[in-house]
Amino acid sequence: SAVISQKPSRDICQRGTSLTIQCQVDSQVTMMFWYRQQPGQSLTLIATANQGSEATYESGFVIDKFPISRPNLTFSTLTVSNMSPEDSSIYLCSVDLGDEYEQYFGPGTRLTVT
Amino acid sequence: SQELEQSPQSLIVQEGKNLTINCTSSKTLYGLYWYKQKYGEGLIFLMMLQKGGEEKSHEKITAKLDEKKQQSSLHITASQPSHAGIYLCGAVPAANNAGGTSYGKLTFGQGTILTVHP
Repeated sequence: SAVISQKPSRDICQRGTSLTIQCQVDSQVTMMFWYRQQPGQSLTLIATANQGSEATYESGFVIDKFPISRPNLTFSTLTVSNMSPEDSSIYLCSVDLGDEYEQYFGPGTRLTVT
Repeated sequence: SQELEQSPQSLIVQEGKNLTINCTSSKTLYGLYWYKQKYGEGLIFLMMLQKGGEEKSHEKITAKLDEKKQQSSLHITASQPSHAGIYLCGAVPAANNAGGTSYGKLTFGQGTILTVHP
């Protein structure tokens, strides 16, 4: 299994500002993923982050809005830029343990934009 | 795109009762994950099924994937208040099966809210 931590656990931000969310894993992983869970909704994949290459974004998500960094095999950040109330969600990172096919999620970052 | 339908959307049971949650896919599944989520928290990995007819158990929770790999069920025996939460199924799209490196790109069902009354 993997132990995943996220910072911050929650935040309240003003519209127009940006927030960077950190995801730390206790082991080296090739791929990390960022998901969004809007209030009352299920999870939607934002992007896939590989170390040493640019993140791959899903339809409806763009790099200017959600820039991602992946500086090493245990860490990634997601920035939510120029926030609006519609960005209020739980943001979760997850990791794929490769051959074991087990997918683990971090505890999430609850973001409220006012 | 992959569509996942979970049923029921919510479920209220008395402690000790058995229950089943279903997850149906519009396309053949390459892999199916089950997670539990406490309100406002992260996802707890329960099980992953990949082979048609596969069945896995963990404590009082059993998950099955049908032979056609389009439907999965999650069964809880003798439910307890600790089982309460949101159960989510997540699917690995068959089109992304490229060397096992795309298992993380999951499509999720809308979730089933389980309440267990003591």
